[in-house]
Amino acid sequence: GAGVSQSPSNKVTEKGKDVELRCDPISGHTALYWYRQSLGQGLEFLIYFQGNSAPDKSGLPSDRFSAERTGGSVSTLTIQRTQQEDSAVYLCAIGGNTEAFFGQGTRLTVV
Amino acid sequence: GNSVTQMEGPVTLSEEAFLTINCTYTATGYPSLFWYVQYPGEGLQLLLKATKADDKGSNKGFEATYRKETTSFHLEKGSVQVSDSAVYFCALRKKSSGDKLTFGTGTRLAVRP
Repeated sequence: GAGVSQSPSNKVTEKGKDVELRCDPISGHTALYWYRQSLGQGLEFLIYFQGNSAPDKSGLPSDRFSAERTGGSVSTLTIQRTQQEDSAVYLCAIGGNTEAFFGQGTRLTVV
Repeated sequence: GNSVTQMEGPVTLSEEAFLTINCTYTATGYPSLFWYVQYPGEGLQLLLKATKADDKGSNKGFEATYRKETTSFHLEKGSVQVSDSAVYFCALRKKSSGDKLTFGTGTRLAVRP
């Protein structure tokens, strides 16, 4: 979507490997979110950033998941020791005053 | 906590049929309500929104009215087209919940010519 670039668009990784997913938003939005969309499921909230801090990381499913944001801009979501159940589309969004703008997502497949 | 419940799909309609996708929510106070749409192969995009009770959001022939009394935000369209085939997500957002969007599970709509 306009204003949010995610990379890579597709990632296939072997079980047990670590992966990093990147979100590069346009400047000027302090709020940034990560969501996960699993096959046949809705969108699951993972973590929310306000600037560089994460006041709500309640959606991270396990301690294998972590995220950071630097310079109030780029964010990376890291998954360590990937498992097959981590396969999903990972979406990044930036927050406007009343709505959120989503990137195209990274499709992660763990084989 | 906040939650959104929407009707399960898939919904299959013929072109020009009337569409209703039900959505109800649970939240305290007055959240903002949204419908997002995900067309095949594309990212999630906002379809319409309503920020206070009795507001009607509308876009591309779709409408939804914020009903506080029934905690609902049902999506309607009078005459669907094949190009409306997509997955539709109802969502709410509340400032006190850190501004995050809480989504329903999505409803897949397929429109036959």
